[in-house]
Amino acid sequence: GAVVSQHPSWVICKSGTSVKIECRSLDFQATTMFWYRQFPKQSLMLMATSNEGSKATYEQGVEKDKFLINHASLTLSTLTVTSAHPEDSSFYICSARAFPNYGYTFGSGTRLTVV
Amino acid sequence: GDSVTQMEGPVTLSEEAFLTINCTYTATGYPSLFWYVQYPGEGLQLLLKATKADDKGSNKGFEATYRKETTSFHLEKGSVQVSDSAVYFCALSDSQGGSEKLVFGKGTKLTVNP
Repeated sequence: GAVVSQHPSWVICKSGTSVKIECRSLDFQATTMFWYRQFPKQSLMLMATSNEGSKATYEQGVEKDKFLINHASLTLSTLTVTSAHPEDSSFYICSARAFPNYGYTFGSGTRLTVV
Repeated sequence: GDSVTQMEGPVTLSEEAFLTINCTYTATGYPSLFWYVQYPGEGLQLLLKATKADDKGSNKGFEATYRKETTSFHLEKGSVQVSDSAVYFCALSDSQGGSEKLVFGKGTKLTVNP
């Protein structure tokens, strides 16, 4: 079945530094990838949608300069949290799908802690 | 816009009890409906789905029926196990609404005690 690998599974960084999270589709080509943020005991908030080779579409209220998304190939999308602050600490989850009306496959998530 | 309203938790049950988690939705088009499960510290796994009215999704003893007349997709299981303890999310995808993104409910935490 479809597998999405997300790396790292957890990361601790200092305030002001940048962190990159990778999301790879291992056995299919993902035309679209999604990035979500999940706060403790809350639902998933969609941050942005990215299509291979084009700029990501950000949801309202998400700072595109702070959360840089790159979808350079059909199997890899990255989320870079720039100049991280403690309030950016959260659980980030990616999702990928091969085609419209195809299934969504989720990564295992990344726990980011900014100290 | 599209939205999903899900039963607030947490829900605590004894093993072999009957489970119902309510989910209702609003959508502009004809959405596909999903239930996802999240185990502690992990991402989401698709539990079941239904793509049109009156469809029944089922998996691992869980069932949900797409009810267009009541705009509902309630999750049920006849006999829960300790291993079912997790957070359950109801979601919809409304491609005819102009977007292919998933819209999630707030999640319901289920704890099953032995």
